[in-house]
Amino acid sequence: DAKTTQPPSMDCAEGRAANLPCNHSTISGNEYVYWYRQIHSQGPQYIIHGLKNNETNEMASLIITEDRKSSTLILPHATLRDTAVYYCIVRVAWGNFGNEKLTFGTGTRLTIIP
Amino acid sequence: SAVISQKPSRDICQRGTSLTIQCQVDSQVTMMFWYRQQPGQSLTLIATANQGSEATYESGFVIDKFPISRPNLTFSTLTVSNMSPEDSSIYLCSVVGFYGYTFGSGTRLTVV
Repeated sequence: DAKTTQPPSMDCAEGRAANLPCNHSTISGNEYVYWYRQIHSQGPQYIIHGLKNNETNEMASLIITEDRKSSTLILPHATLRDTAVYYCIVRVAWGNFGNEKLTFGTGTRLTIIP
Repeated sequence: SAVISQKPSRDICQRGTSLTIQCQVDSQVTMMFWYRQQPGQSLTLIATANQGSEATYESGFVIDKFPISRPNLTFSTLTVSNMSPEDSSIYLCSVVGFYGYTFGSGTRLTVV
């Protein structure tokens, strides 16, 4: 399974953009990058995913490098409610019957500072 | 995205006993996943449960310890058998849909 590497923790000032890096150097050509976050031991919450193009939704932007070996999640205007553990995950898929799974790494604990 | 209901939300159990956790989804899904999250740790995939077939377990997890049922496309159970304090964790179920994976709120298990 493709592994991801993230910094264990980061701080960001409230109102500023939070940029969370992720390394996934062993990713295969058809494997998607997913980002989830987990607030206070709740179930993980979906943020965004992408294959090779940059993606943007109402929560965040995802920038994937051209070689796909790394990506950055951007929260454009961080608020205190964005304090959470953020997981960068490579979705593994195989076979002809839609077999797939998410394997979580250790994540980045993001703290938004007032 | 799918809505997942997990029961119980938390429980305190005696060592040596078993607990069955239920996961109900509001729509039909092919694949359901069970994860464990030990205190202060990330999520670890236990097994994948497809309706009509045996669950597929990840390395380090066995059916005798974590039997799984998947009787239909909206429901699954995970049993934690012969519990020890090391089984104290949050157990989460997850399903995959068009917009990605949705997770239940988890079952917080404490074994005493």
